[in-house]
Amino acid sequence: ETGVTQTPRHLVMGMTNKKSLKCEQHLGHNAMYWYKQSAKKPLELMFVYSLEERVENNSVPSRFSPECPNSSHLFLHLHTLQPEDSALYLCASSQDRGRSQPQHFGDGTRLSIL
Amino acid sequence: RKEVEQDPGPFNVPEGATVAFNCTYSNSASQSFFWYRQDCRKEPKLLMSVYSSGNEDGRFTAQLNRASQYISLLIRDSKLSDSATYLCVVRDGQNFVFGPGTRLSVLP
Repeated sequence: ETGVTQTPRHLVMGMTNKKSLKCEQHLGHNAMYWYKQSAKKPLELMFVYSLEERVENNSVPSRFSPECPNSSHLFLHLHTLQPEDSALYLCASSQDRGRSQPQHFGDGTRLSIL
Repeated sequence: RKEVEQDPGPFNVPEGATVAFNCTYSNSASQSFFWYRQDCRKEPKLLMSVYSSGNEDGRFTAQLNRASQYISLLIRDSKLSDSATYLCVVRDGQNFVFGPGTRLSVLP
C-alpha cells in the first residue's frame, strides 16, 4: 500500500545532529498522527493533527518538534536526541469526519541514536 | 485500568487450529473498533473493522458486545502466515487507542 509514505526508512544519527522525518499521505485524509514504537512495546501516540491544527501532544519532550504544513504532509523534526529515542517512528492518517474509518500507517522510519 | 486490554499471549497453535483473541475497552463512548495485525518490525496493517452485528472476512470473524465493552477475533484454519501480533484498536473521535497486542505463532 502506498497511501502513506514515510522517508527515510532508516536513519542513524548522533545525539547532536538535527534531522527530520517526513510523512506524506495520498488518501485525502484530514488527520495525521505520529507514533513511537520501541522494541517489543506497544505503540505510543506522540502527536495528532486534525485539519493542520495540533490537537494532541502526549507529553512528548521538546527535542521532538512536529510540523504539519498542509493536510497531506507531516514532519517530525529531531534535535539533540537521546539513545532511548531509538525506535520505530510511525506516521498514520485517518478521515476525521468519518468516525468509523480506520487509520492507515506508513512503513515507518527506524531510528537509531548513537 | 488500561483503556484497551487484550489477552497477554503469546498463543502458540498448530496449523489448522482455531484461535480466539479477546479485547476489552473502558470508554463506553467509543465509536468504532478495529483489528490490526503487525508483523515483526513492520507497521500495523488493518485486518478488519468490527461491526455491531459481527462480521466475517474469510477465515476471520469479529464480534462486538457494546454492553460488555468486549471485542473478539476468531481465526479458523490457522496458517503459518497468520503468525503476527494482533492489535485491538478502539476509536473515540480523533483518538485511536491501541491495545498492547497479542502475539500469535502458528507452528507447522
